[in-house]
Amino acid sequence: GIQVEQSPPDLILQEGANSTLRCNFSDSVNNLQWFHQNPWGQLINLFYIPSGTKQNGRLSATTVATERYSLLYISSSQTTDSGVYFCAVGRSQGNLIFGKGTKLSVKP
Amino acid sequence: EAGVAQSPRYKIIEKRQSVAFWCNPISGHATLYWYQQILGQGPKLLIQFQNNGVVDDSQLPKDRFSAERLKGVDSTLKIQPAKLEDSAVYLCASSLRGSYGYTFGSGTRLTVV
Repeated sequence: GIQVEQSPPDLILQEGANSTLRCNFSDSVNNLQWFHQNPWGQLINLFYIPSGTKQNGRLSATTVATERYSLLYISSSQTTDSGVYFCAVGRSQGNLIFGKGTKLSVKP
Repeated sequence: EAGVAQSPRYKIIEKRQSVAFWCNPISGHATLYWYQQILGQGPKLLIQFQNNGVVDDSQLPKDRFSAERLKGVDSTLKIQPAKLEDSAVYLCASSLRGSYGYTFGSGTRLTVV
């Protein structure tokens, strides 16, 4: 099956800092999504981005499908950005394969 | 619009007991998923429904887990009998078509003692 690797596994930032999270996947996909799991466990869909670049406020994501990786950028981080960021990939049926996540802690 | 509803929020049972979880997806979402998330890991798909038909249940431990989606709306996931390793958060998600509009519920945290 498709393997999904995320890096770094843990990240500690001071408020206001920028960060880049990486997701590598082992096979071609037509579905890639980024999720944020907040400290209460709720998974929120950030981006549906099988290719190209998207931006939403302080967050942006880029997927280079031909090279099998995706990047999530967080600028001017805030304490509310803390939690676990998951990359998930899949094919046409809709079910997703998740990576192990990057745990982000933003300190005030 | 209302989100994906799940209940109960928490459940503690003894091993070998049975337990059931309920999920009501977003109205109009044809596809419903159950995921298992063990502490420190990403969610893993257990079963996917399209309307009331099963699309993928290849990772569902069928000797103890069962799921149904009657009338193509809400769904129930059951574990019988439970084992200690079933302790996890059980997440329900729904999508409009394919992966469009993927939305997760708040999950049910199961502890088996």
